[in-house]
Amino acid sequence: QQQVKQSPQSLIVQKGGISIINCAYENTAFDYFPWYQQFPGKGPALLIAIRPDVSEKKEGRFTISFNKSAKQFSLHIMDSQPGDSATYFCAASASWGKLQFGAGTQVVVTP
Amino acid sequence: DTGVSQNPRHKITKRGQNVTFRCDPISEHNRLYWYRQTLGQGPEFLTYFQNEAQLEKSRLLSDRFSAERPKGSFSTLEIQRTEQGDSAMYLCASTTPDLASPLHFGNGTRLTVT
Repeated sequence: QQQVKQSPQSLIVQKGGISIINCAYENTAFDYFPWYQQFPGKGPALLIAIRPDVSEKKEGRFTISFNKSAKQFSLHIMDSQPGDSATYFCAASASWGKLQFGAGTQVVVTP
Repeated sequence: DTGVSQNPRHKITKRGQNVTFRCDPISEHNRLYWYRQTLGQGPEFLTYFQNEAQLEKSRLLSDRFSAERPKGSFSTLEIQRTEQGDSAMYLCASTTPDLASPLHFGNGTRLTVT
């Protein structure tokens, strides 16, 4: 069964807009929550990650919001650019490296 | 580029044939992971090594799959008697024991079983 549920499956955003992707998990043992970006024909690349002792982490235009009680976390991409068009995966881990991935969100940023 | 290297990038094989993929991790990384990714899905964990020891295997790894890391450096993933359902991208990732170090993925081997 899928341990990390991700939505939406796809989204289209205009250049300069905000992209928001949501994930939910069930396993309370998860203690590491990364987001990966994947371009066609490439492997996933780490964007940003958070641990449950903080509720928000920001790196440049990317922000993770984390709600431990709701077992939810989200990725916000501010000022979206055409180069951000990619598939984004949330993931969670209870033991280092064994990541459980969401199904992915395909983001298209229109000029 | 000193990232994770995977070969071949693409492999087309006929059902019933055996295939082997290779992964060369980043040189100082002692943990190595194999994942499988099918179209439109996120990667699924298959197995991982710490140095040469295979420490965990997923239920997804049937008896037809075997992975090795004989000297704690590169790793191979072999699939015997391939089936059409084995068609997927096979991803390798590596990392250090440092908890702050993320998984670094290679660009994968895309397997097509005809």
